[in-house]
Amino acid sequence: QVTLKESGPALVKPTQTLTLTCTFSGFSLSTSGMRVSWIRQPPGKALEWLGRIDWDDDKFYITSLKTRLTISKDTSKDQVLLTMTNMDPVDTATYYCARINPHLYMDVWGKGTTVTVSS
Amino acid sequence: QTAVTQEPSISVSPGGTVTLTCGLSSGSVSTSYYPSWYQQTPGQAPRPLIYSTNSRSSGVPDRFSGSILGNKAALTIRGAQADDECDYYCVLYMGGGISVFGGGTRLTVL
Repeated sequence: QVTLKESGPALVKPTQTLTLTCTFSGFSLSTSGMRVSWIRQPPGKALEWLGRIDWDDDKFYITSLKTRLTISKDTSKDQVLLTMTNMDPVDTATYYCARINPHLYMDVWGKGTTVTVSS
Repeated sequence: QTAVTQEPSISVSPGGTVTLTCGLSSGSVSTSYYPSWYQQTPGQAPRPLIYSTNSRSSGVPDRFSGSILGNKAALTIRGAQADDECDYYCVLYMGGGISVFGGGTRLTVL
């Protein structure tokens, strides 16, 4: 059974750096074709794809946030990390991680973690 | 940057058939965009429905189907039920490792 779970701080201050962890099980990010994406959803708004990391350590980011985002993986711990710098109240959202299978779709999602940016 | 467009809201009668679409602000959607569809109820994570244009995700009833209609990807729901009332999102793969969500469609069953 494939599962993913997001974890991290519920509250960060403006200008701080956010680090979220996606801990997964049931698959290996070392397996060819496997990928993990990060997605966020501000309250009452649409989902927004943020980026992804591939089995071969390739990384891709949404253009608008590329300078603030870093996605990395720790294969030994079955974890993917999302780092977002210079947090702003508009970054308040529920953050999800999801596995992308070889058909290039997000087939299993975590439950999400809510992050509020406020002083 | 090209945006992915969806109807903000659509309504359907119980038992009826409804089609939601997913287009591009510039250009046509084809199977090369690997259209996928997700269903989201309030407070829950999205649930995968359709991938690669018309393949159903595991456990999704065959009332849900995907296709390309004209220059857009489409999600058709047949025999609409009350619990189909929620938000639906499409995702297109834009190439270069980038995916983009549409703005979502709120489906009302009434």
